[in-house]
Amino acid sequence: AQSVTQLGSHVSVSEGALVLLRCNYSSSVPPYLFWYVQYPNQGLQLLLKYTTGATLVKGINGFEAEFKKSETSFHLTKPSAHMSDAAEYFCAVSEWGDMRFGAGTRLTVKP
Amino acid sequence: EAGVTQFPSHSVIEKGQTVTLRCDPISGHDNLYWYRRVMGKEIKFLLHFVKESKQDESGMPNNRFLAERTGGTYSTLKVQPAELEDSGVYFCASSPSILGLAEYEQYFGPGTRLTVT
Repeated sequence: AQSVTQLGSHVSVSEGALVLLRCNYSSSVPPYLFWYVQYPNQGLQLLLKYTTGATLVKGINGFEAEFKKSETSFHLTKPSAHMSDAAEYFCAVSEWGDMRFGAGTRLTVKP
Repeated sequence: EAGVTQFPSHSVIEKGQTVTLRCDPISGHDNLYWYRRVMGKEIKFLLHFVKESKQDESGMPNNRFLAERTGGTYSTLKVQPAELEDSGVYFCASSPSILGLAEYEQYFGPGTRLTVT
């Protein structure tokens, strides 16, 4: 069965600094991988997804993630953090449509 | 196009009472999922409908939870009787037909925050 581990329940960065949110997965078949973001008082919004093809995936708001099969990782990055990026981020893996989520990482952006 | 909607947005009930949560998926989406997030923990899968049929209900915690999707449109999740540990945010998500890669992207509603006191 698939599972996801997000390293770090809280990450704090300064505005303009690199954002790196870590995600490792386990899956018995080639996985589909997702990053979702939840802003305060809102639902989950898809940031980006990996299905097949190019392993570097670009998403909305300047985020990107790289699928590394050898490391079973799908870390999320953004070169320069903005105050509006403060939110909770969830990594998820799907094998046959049933999605499994990590525990989430809350990103704080300091001025 | 309207997104996934959930009602109510918040519900506060006493232990032992009954609560029914409703989810309206995106029109035409065959797949409907329920998830729950207990405070500070991961979002956990509860069950998956394909149209009106339960495809997978392995995540349902116990028989106090009953989910229905009559007619394959909206879904309800009833908790009866509610216990303190049922508190959390209940998310609903939907996705299109099982054909094609699009099935793997799920569209989430804003969630229902349930508090059992």
